[in-house]
Amino acid sequence: AQSVTQLDSQVPVFEEAPVELRCNYSSSVSVYLFWYVQYPNQGLQLLLKYLSGSTLVKGINGFEAEFNKSQTSFHLRKPSVHISDTAEYFCAVSDPAGTALIFGKGTTLSVSS
Amino acid sequence: EAGVAQSPRYKIIEKRQSVAFWCNPISGHATLYWYQQILGQGPKLLIQFQNNGVVDDSQLPKDRFSAERLKGVDSTLKIQPAKLEDSAVYLCASSFEAVGEQFFGPGTRLTVL
Repeated sequence: AQSVTQLDSQVPVFEEAPVELRCNYSSSVSVYLFWYVQYPNQGLQLLLKYLSGSTLVKGINGFEAEFNKSQTSFHLRKPSVHISDTAEYFCAVSDPAGTALIFGKGTTLSVSS
Repeated sequence: EAGVAQSPRYKIIEKRQSVAFWCNPISGHATLYWYQQILGQGPKLLIQFQNNGVVDDSQLPKDRFSAERLKGVDSTLKIQPAKLEDSAVYLCASSFEAVGEQFFGPGTRLTVL
C-alpha cells in the first residue's frame, strides 16, 4: 500500500530565507507525486506534480521539487520565501492507474518578518 | 472557468442528527472525489465516482455515510446519524479523467456537538 510521510509538522522561517519541506513516500509501483498548498479556510491548490520525465519539477509561486527514486523522496524547495507563503503544504501520491490521492499529514510553513 | 462549488461552507449539528453536503464539480469533469480532512491531518478519500458509478468507496463508513452522483454531475454526501468524530472538513474534488489533476472545492466545515 502507498503511504506518504511529511517529516516536519511545522517549519518556521524568516522572510527571504530558503526553505525545504520534506516528503518521503512508500510504494511498490510507479507513482505520481504532488504538492498542494492550503491557505486558511480554502481548498487545496496544486503547486506542482511529477508524472514522468525530468526529476526536477517547477511549479507555481517559485516552488520546485525534485523526485528522487532511490531515496523515495519528493522534497519541496523555494529559494526565497515571502510572508504570503504562510500556509499548510501537503505532499500526495497516486498511481498511474488513476487511484485517488493519498496525502501526508501536512507541514505548516510559517514565514515571519 | 468556474471552480468546484460546495455548500454549505459551515455546518454545526448535534450528535445523532443527520447532515448533507452538496458538490458541483467543474463542467465536463468525469471524476469526482469526496475527502474527509480531520484537524491536523491530510485529506483522506471517502469515495470516488467516475461519471455516476462508484470507483472506490472502501474507506466510506457505510453504516452512516452515503453518497450519490445522479446524472454524473452534482453529488451529495450524507451522514446519518452523525458522531462526534465526524467533525472535519469535507472536501470535494473533480478531475477531467481519473489520472488528471484534481481541483478542490473550498470544503464544508462540519462541527458535531
